[in-house]
Amino acid sequence: EIVMTQSPATLSLSPGERATLSCRASQSVSRSLAWYQQKPGQAPRLLIHGSSTRATDIPARFSGSGSGTEFSLTISSLQSEDFAVYYCQQYSNWPRTFGQGTKVEIK
Amino acid sequence: EVQLLESGGGLVQPGGSLRLSCAASGFTFTNYAMGWVRQAPGLGLECVSSISGDGRTTYYADSVKGRFTFSRDNSGNTLYLQMNSLRAEDTGIYYCARAGPYFLDYWGQGTLITVSS
Repeated sequence: EIVMTQSPATLSLSPGERATLSCRASQSVSRSLAWYQQKPGQAPRLLIHGSSTRATDIPARFSGSGSGTEFSLTISSLQSEDFAVYYCQQYSNWPRTFGQGTKVEIK
Repeated sequence: EVQLLESGGGLVQPGGSLRLSCAASGFTFTNYAMGWVRQAPGLGLECVSSISGDGRTTYYADSVKGRFTFSRDNSGNTLYLQMNSLRAEDTGIYYCARAGPYFLDYWGQGTLITVSS
């Protein structure tokens, strides 16, 4: 099983600041990496797939990068609606595995 | 508009069984693999199972293998997750999701399973 490790666990930032979230895979997943956003009481929402392709209707302030084992999600300027938990997921191998999540909270 | 609506959750005793359903609409159902993802209270996400568009191929997490069965009715656009021999650690919200084609591009709102005596 591929283990996905996200860092940091919590990111405390102010609106307008830049957020950079990291995700590391225990073995190469090529570019088979997705990012999801989850708000309290809601289902996860797909943000990024293929490491860097934004999903439908996702604002341009969200960007993803990386390949192999190292990935990142950047939110260029945090909006109030962006404070949430973010998960990375590899879909290179079964079982598909998620990272443990990074909570982006208001500082 | 893609819609996924789960049902069938509830309280069940350890060792008991439950069947979840997920009604899909707004897309050509047979063209997509589908999956179930669960989330234990306050914790992260776990892919439980997936099924191919024709229903012939299924995958299961080791934690549920031999206890859960994932099936689909392509004539009725519905997924089913039969869960047997339930354990306390199966407690959580179960989401059905569309695999588009491998990442999960649409999710239902989830149904809560509580395994407790």
